[in-house]
Amino acid sequence: KNQVEQSPQSLIILEGKNCTLQCNYTVSPFSNLRWYKQDTGRGPVSLTIMTFSENTKSNGRYTATLDADTKQSSLHITASQLSDSASYICVVSATGGFKTIFGAGTRLFVKA
Amino acid sequence: GAGVSQSPSNKVTEKGKDVELRCDPISGHTALYWYRQRLGQGLEFLIYFQGNSAPDKSGLPSDRFSAERTGESVSTLTIQRTQQEDSAVYLCASSLASGRAEDTQYFGPGTRLTVL
Repeated sequence: KNQVEQSPQSLIILEGKNCTLQCNYTVSPFSNLRWYKQDTGRGPVSLTIMTFSENTKSNGRYTATLDADTKQSSLHITASQLSDSASYICVVSATGGFKTIFGAGTRLFVKA
Repeated sequence: GAGVSQSPSNKVTEKGKDVELRCDPISGHTALYWYRQRLGQGLEFLIYFQGNSAPDKSGLPSDRFSAERTGESVSTLTIQRTQQEDSAVYLCASSLASGRAEDTQYFGPGTRLTVL
């Protein structure tokens, strides 16, 4: 069964600190993995996308890693800001047409 | 417009009533998706339109749910005889070109549906 599991479910950190969010998946055959940021009351916005051959991708203070062998990805946020408070969603797509599986997300709270 | 727009932003209805949710995709995007997001949960795929091809309806939870799209423009998601478990945020997304898995989906702000 195609699944995407994220951990932790929620996380509270102090402003300026770093954090890492995890994503494990069983989607097959693998096409790509994306991380989305979803602010409260808004639709998700794409942060990074990685294909099978890529193992790291950065977007400003966000760095995503991918280990296609272990089917794990992480999203590392450096020097967190209050505006980073949001849900971060891991999304994995399979090849051979449209099949995209969304994780339940990690809710990040950044406190001053 | 610059992005995907959805209307209404909020909808409160009574159990048993029908509702229509609207999505305006980004101009030129041939693929359009509808998702449902219950409170505190991940997105559930509902339906996918790609150009003039037959839509992928595999995610629709029951025959009370239906969706239409005219060409490559506006889409309407209709829920008939609404139930309380239909309460959720309904998100629409569109993507460019072929709608392949590699294409980035751009999401609208969603419609928050509350069924009393």
